[in-house]
Amino acid sequence: DGGITQSPKYLFRKEGQNVTLSCEQNLNHDAMYWYRQDPGQGLRLIYYSQIVNDFQKGDIAEGYSVSREKKESFPLTVTSAQKNPTAFYLCASRETAFREQYFGPGTRLTVT
Amino acid sequence: AQTVTQSQPEMSVQEAETVTLSCTYDTSENNYYLFWYKQPPSRQMILVIRQEAYKQQNATENRFSVNFQKAAKSFSLKISDSQLGDTAMYFCAFLYNNNDMRFGAGTRLTVKP
Repeated sequence: DGGITQSPKYLFRKEGQNVTLSCEQNLNHDAMYWYRQDPGQGLRLIYYSQIVNDFQKGDIAEGYSVSREKKESFPLTVTSAQKNPTAFYLCASRETAFREQYFGPGTRLTVT
Repeated sequence: AQTVTQSQPEMSVQEAETVTLSCTYDTSENNYYLFWYKQPPSRQMILVIRQEAYKQQNATENRFSVNFQKAAKSFSLKISDSQLGDTAMYFCAFLYNNNDMRFGAGTRLTVKP
């Protein structure tokens, strides 16, 4: 089955630790995205990548980092510099010819 | 700046009835795309319907249809014959280039039996 996988579903970390969220897709999509979702708010773009070895900052990139070494993978690292890291994180991908984005199941990160 | 507004934080509808969710947006762009996404309790985002701004005809997908009013910058979603499985958060989204997708804050829809 083609799709986007995110792991783990729930993640717990202590304050001050970096943590990496996984996102893998087997849809052969070129573009991939990371969003953050907070209660009562829509999704906000953290980073996106249109091609391997290239990525761009979104609206709320501070405290986050990404890499795109393979077309299938776009991991997100939440660093200790992120002031409020507890949130639901969604990864998405898009085929170049189309506009709609397809989403993974998300990772709920809790930092205490 | 592109903004998307969903003025109804919560709505409810009886099973088998029709409900309309509102969405307005603000942009100076002429070519863009609009989407409705559904997020059920599982939190998986699912594409419901999309509309290209250059098309005057309103998009339809089975029980879901939109009322796209470009001049008024309005993009409402109508759900006909509501089903219990339609209970979810619904997000309106605006895309004006390939990568800048703006989401509204969402409307929580509850379908009552």
